[in-house]
Amino acid sequence: SQTIHQWPATLVQPVGSPLSLECTVEGTSNPNLYWYRQAAGRGLQLLFYSVGIGQISSEVPQNLSASRPQDRQFILSSKKLLLSDSGFYLCAWSGTGVLDEQYFGPGTRLTVT
Amino acid sequence: AQSVTQLGSHVSVSEGALVLLRCNYSSSVPPYLFWYVQYPNQGLQLLLKYTSAATLVKGINGFEAEFKKSETSFHLTKPSAHMSDAAEYFCAVTRSYNTDKLIFGTGTRLQVFP
Repeated sequence: SQTIHQWPATLVQPVGSPLSLECTVEGTSNPNLYWYRQAAGRGLQLLFYSVGIGQISSEVPQNLSASRPQDRQFILSSKKLLLSDSGFYLCAWSGTGVLDEQYFGPGTRLTVT
Repeated sequence: AQSVTQLGSHVSVSEGALVLLRCNYSSSVPPYLFWYVQYPNQGLQLLLKYTSAATLVKGINGFEAEFKKSETSFHLTKPSAHMSDAAEYFCAVTRSYNTDKLIFGTGTRLQVFP
């Protein structure tokens, strides 16, 4: 069966510090991968998605970036965090078929102080 | 462009009462609609999805939703609430035909009182 992991589960970082969040998927190959941010009262915002290694599409201009160095690894990064980067970050994967369900990881709670 | 609006950021019901969570969509192409549930500090789990096969869609945990094109609605219902249903619920629509990039609503937090 497929599983999706995210770490760390929680993170407290000062403004201006770098960020690296990791997401890995097991039990499937060539998944579509997604990064979402969830801010209070604002639902989920799609940040990045990837259909393959090295293929990243950005949905929202910001100081975050994403990379996919391996087929089942998706990394969210920032060189300098802003207060507004605080939130709950969710990684998800789906198959490549039409309307394949998205499966979400447990999320990372990021607080920028 | 596709979008969804969830009416009511908070809904409270008594245990055993009807649950009704509202979702209206806007779409320039035939929409595909989803309901997800999120328990505290967890990821999202799919409850059900509408893919044009049937207008009444049954999902997990006794939830169902009806697609009404004339009302551009996809409301989520459950006949009898259980304490374990307390969670946040998100309605979502595909952003364009034949893709799986989802646009989410702002969510509705369901509280269930004994």
